[in-house]
Parts: sequence; structure tokens; C-alpha cells
Amino acid sequence: EDQVTQSPEALRLQEGESSSLNCSYTVSGLRGLFWYRQDPGKGPEFLFTLYSAGEEKEKERLKATLTKKESFLHITAPKPEDSATYLCAVLKNTPLVFGKGTRLSVIA
Amino acid sequence: DAGVTQSPTHLIKTRGQQVTLRCSPKSGHDTVSWYQQALGQGPQFIFQYYEEEERQRGNFPDRFSGHQFPNYSSELNVNALLLGDSALYLCASSFRDIGDTQYFGPGTRLTVL
Repeated sequence: EDQVTQSPEALRLQEGESSSLNCSYTVSGLRGLFWYRQDPGKGPEFLFTLYSAGEEKEKERLKATLTKKESFLHITAPKPEDSATYLCAVLKNTPLVFGKGTRLSVIA
Repeated sequence: DAGVTQSPTHLIKTRGQQVTLRCSPKSGHDTVSWYQQALGQGPQFIFQYYEEEERQRGNFPDRFSGHQFPNYSSELNVNALLLGDSALYLCASSFRDIGDTQYFGPGTRLTVL
């Protein structure tokens, strides 16, 4: 069965304290891995798509990387506005299979 | 460029009732997927519509049904509501290729009393 596991479940950082979120998956025939940001009560906001091992993408303070077994979302010098739940999802065929997310809190 | 829109924003129903949720995809997109997200969980796939037909379905009972219109908008219908159907219902749109990125709407919060 395809599985996506995100860790940690929750992470509390001081402003400026860099860290990484992990997404491990057991999917054969991966067609893509997606990162989304979700604010409370809102729909997920697309961040990145990664298609092959070794691929990296960056956007402002966020950088996503992909290996054959896991993906990392690195957050450099986070700010309070980066506080949200970060969701990882994998695509084999349809549908997207999501992890439960990492709830990030950045304290000023 | 309008993103994915959903209506209504919030909805309160009682057990046994029926509900219809609506979704308009992002401009240029022709594929609509529906997800259910319980509190503290990741979204769970319900079904996907392409060319007005259900292309794939997740592990949800037949009480959940949908429709896609010629203008690519979509509806999600849930019959005989249960307390456990309370959740955030998300619509996502994409462009026909299965590997295309899905963009989500703001969701409809359904509460079943």
C-alpha cells in the first residue's frame, strides 16, 4: 500500500532558526512529489513539484529536495509568517496521496 | 486570473440530509478532483472528473457522487449525511495530464449535527 509519512508532526522554531521537515514515502512508480502549505481552515497552497531523485527547487526561504525514498523541505531563517501546516503528497497515478502534515510554528 | 473557487464556504446540515458542494476550476484547467480533509489529517481523495466522466474514485461509499459540466465546473453530492462526514471538502483543478500539478480551492467546511 502506498504510504506517506511526515515528521515531525509539529515543530516550534524561533525566528531565524533554520530546520528541515521530512517526508518519507513507499510508492513504486512515483510520478511526482508535491509540497503544499496550508493555513488553518484554508485550502492547500502549492509550493513545489519534484519529479526525480536529485532534483531541488527553491522559493524564498524554502528549498525542497528529493531522494528515492524521501523528500526534505528546508526552511532557512524562518519568519512568523511561515507558520502553517506543510503537506507532502505523492502521485503515482491519480490520486494524490497525502501525508498528515507537519505543523510549523515560528515564534518571534 | 481566477483561481479555483468553491461554494458555499460553510454549511451546517443534520444527519440524513443531502448536500451539494460546487467548484469552478482554475482558468485553463479541465480536470477536477475532490478531497475530504478531517481535522488534523491530510486530504483524502474522493474522486476525479475529466471530460464529464468520473476517471478515478477513492475509497468512499456510493453516498458520495459527483458531476462535471461542459464548462468543467463540478459538483459533489453527499446523501444520507452521517456525523462522520463533517470535514473540510476541497476541490482541486489541473490540466488533463495525470502528472500535472493540482491547485486547490479554499474549501467548504461541512458540519453535520
